[in-house]
Amino acid sequence: EIVLTQSPGTLSLSPGERATLFCTASQSVSTTYLAWYQQKPGQAPRLLIYGTFSRATGVPDRFSGSGSGTDFTLVISRLEPEDFAVYFCQQYAISPLTFGGGTKVEIK
Amino acid sequence: QVQHVQSGPEVKKPGASVKVSCKASGYIFTDYYAIHWVRQAPGQRLEWMGWIYAGDGETRYSQKFQARITISRDSFATTAYMELSTLTLDDTAVYYCVRIGGSHPLWGQGTLVTVSS
Repeated sequence: EIVLTQSPGTLSLSPGERATLFCTASQSVSTTYLAWYQQKPGQAPRLLIYGTFSRATGVPDRFSGSGSGTDFTLVISRLEPEDFAVYFCQQYAISPLTFGGGTKVEIK
Repeated sequence: QVQHVQSGPEVKKPGASVKVSCKASGYIFTDYYAIHWVRQAPGQRLEWMGWIYAGDGETRYSQKFQARITISRDSFATTAYMELSTLTLDDTAVYYCVRIGGSHPLWGQGTLVTVSS
């Protein structure tokens, strides 16, 4: 199984700042099959990025994804108040689906 | 509209079974898609449980759940099901169906299953 490790565990930032989140895979993942999600308490995960680079419908362009091989990144260019949440990565290249442990982006 | 709509919340006693449904709409259900089931216990990482290939009904289960999970589908009703038996308190979680295949993953809204004595 592919293990996904996210860092940092928590990111304390102010609105307007840039957030950079990392996801490291235990083995190479095709860029076609790496996604990022946002999750708020009591809500289902919201797909932000799929195929490493593609924004899901309705996702603002301040969210961007990049990476290849074992290292992937989600950048939020300027944090808005609604962006403070937990973010996690997912690989769907190889069964079982696996998920990162999440990065909590909190207000500093 | 392309979506998955899951069944409503459930409260079960330890030892009981639960069956969660995932109704697909807006796409051809049997077209090269696998429907996965994952769960999220309170404060925990998402955990994969198994999948079903909507076309021919082939299934694959996590070893953790192998003995007590059944994933099925009704192609005519475009619905996938996940049944988990012999529930314990540790099965309290939100259960999600996720389509893999197509341009991007497609999730249901989640079903809260609470196991309580």
